[in-house]
Amino acid sequence: GAVVSQHPSWVICKSGTSVKIECRSLDFQATTMFWYRQFPKQSLMLMATSNEGSKATYEQGVEKDKFLINHASLTLSTLTVTSAHPEDSSFYICSPPHESIAEAFFGQGTRLTVV
Amino acid sequence: AQTVTQSQPEMSVQEAETVTLSCTYDTSENNYYLFWYKQPPSRQMILVIRQEAYKQQNATENRFSVNFQKAAKSFSLKISDSQLGDTAMYFCALNNYGQNFVFGPGTRLSVLP
Repeated sequence: GAVVSQHPSWVICKSGTSVKIECRSLDFQATTMFWYRQFPKQSLMLMATSNEGSKATYEQGVEKDKFLINHASLTLSTLTVTSAHPEDSSFYICSPPHESIAEAFFGQGTRLTVV
Repeated sequence: AQTVTQSQPEMSVQEAETVTLSCTYDTSENNYYLFWYKQPPSRQMILVIRQEAYKQQNATENRFSVNFQKAAKSFSLKISDSQLGDTAMYFCALNNYGQNFVFGPGTRLSVLP
């Protein structure tokens, strides 16, 4: 079946630095990728949607200048957390839209810790 | 707006027993999909079971089954013969074809030996 590879699986960075998270579709093309964020002991919440060839769309309350999303190709979507702060520590996970019910899946997720 | 509610933050069950996790949702769409995902400590999202809203027959996957009541907008998960490996967070999720997931707040299930 279709696979989404997300990298890195975990990262620790210092406050003020930037971190890039990649989400690659390995055997299919994705014109759209959904990015979710999960704070500790909370549920997953959609934070933004990347679109190949156009600007990303952000959910209310998500700073687009802080969370840079790029859909560089039909197989690669990236999320860059710029000038990271401890409150950005969270679990980030990507998922393409499923074209049929059999293809609902997620990347492995990235656990970001900002110290 | 679409919403998903899980009224049980935590549940526990004895090994080999049966447990039911509740989920209600709200959507104005007529065609949609419902899912139950399991999230172990690794945080990987593992699909447990899925249901197409236009199908009246309840989905079943081995020890997992759902009770889908479309009119009541209810989608509960029954786990039979609970195993220690079933211990995890369980999220109920709503999805329209090609759109993002809307997740419930989750239920933490503990299977006790």
